[in-house]
Amino acid sequence: EDQVTQSPEALRLQEGESSSLNCSYTVSGLRGLFWYRQDPGKGPEFLFTLYSAGEEKEKERLKATLTKKESFLHITAPKPEDSATYLCAVPGNTGNQFYFGTGTSLTVIP
Amino acid sequence: EAGVTQSPTHLIKTRGQQATLRCSPISGHTSVYWYQQALGLGLQFLLWYDEGEERNRGNFPPRFSGRQFPNYSSELNVNALELEDSALYLCASNGREGLSQPQHFGDGTRLSIL
Repeated sequence: EDQVTQSPEALRLQEGESSSLNCSYTVSGLRGLFWYRQDPGKGPEFLFTLYSAGEEKEKERLKATLTKKESFLHITAPKPEDSATYLCAVPGNTGNQFYFGTGTSLTVIP
Repeated sequence: EAGVTQSPTHLIKTRGQQATLRCSPISGHTSVYWYQQALGLGLQFLLWYDEGEERNRGNFPPRFSGRQFPNYSSELNVNALELEDSALYLCASNGREGLSQPQHFGDGTRLSIL
């Protein structure tokens, strides 16, 4: 069964305290893994696409990496404006749709 | 480049009424997806339209329906509204490569059922 699991559910960091968010998936024949940022009351904003194990993408303080079973979103020296819910999604193999994780709610404290 | 646009921003209805939500995809995108996001919950897949055809629907009752127009815009109709239908309804679009491309989202329609 196609499935995406994100951990932790919530994460509180001090400004400047680096950490990582995890997204594990059970889809076989991965056709891509997508990271999004969602602010309260807004739609998800696309961040990264990863297609193959070993691939990395960076944007400002964020770096996404991919292995055969999971992806990590590394946040280096976060700032309060990085506070948001981070979602990952994969296209299903058995299901004709995208599967989203339930997200990690990140709070960065000044 | 204009992003995905949704209207209205907010919609207030009472139980039993019908609601129509609208979505315009990014120019050049042919696929439109609809999701329901209840407060504090994850995205629940509703419908996928591509080239005017329904490609897939999620585990929702038939009173949730929609269509895609020749210009690729789409509308979502919800009949016989129930209190639990209160949620943020998100529309997303992507191009002809379908599931291999990321989706781009609008900011949603907040539907409140009184």
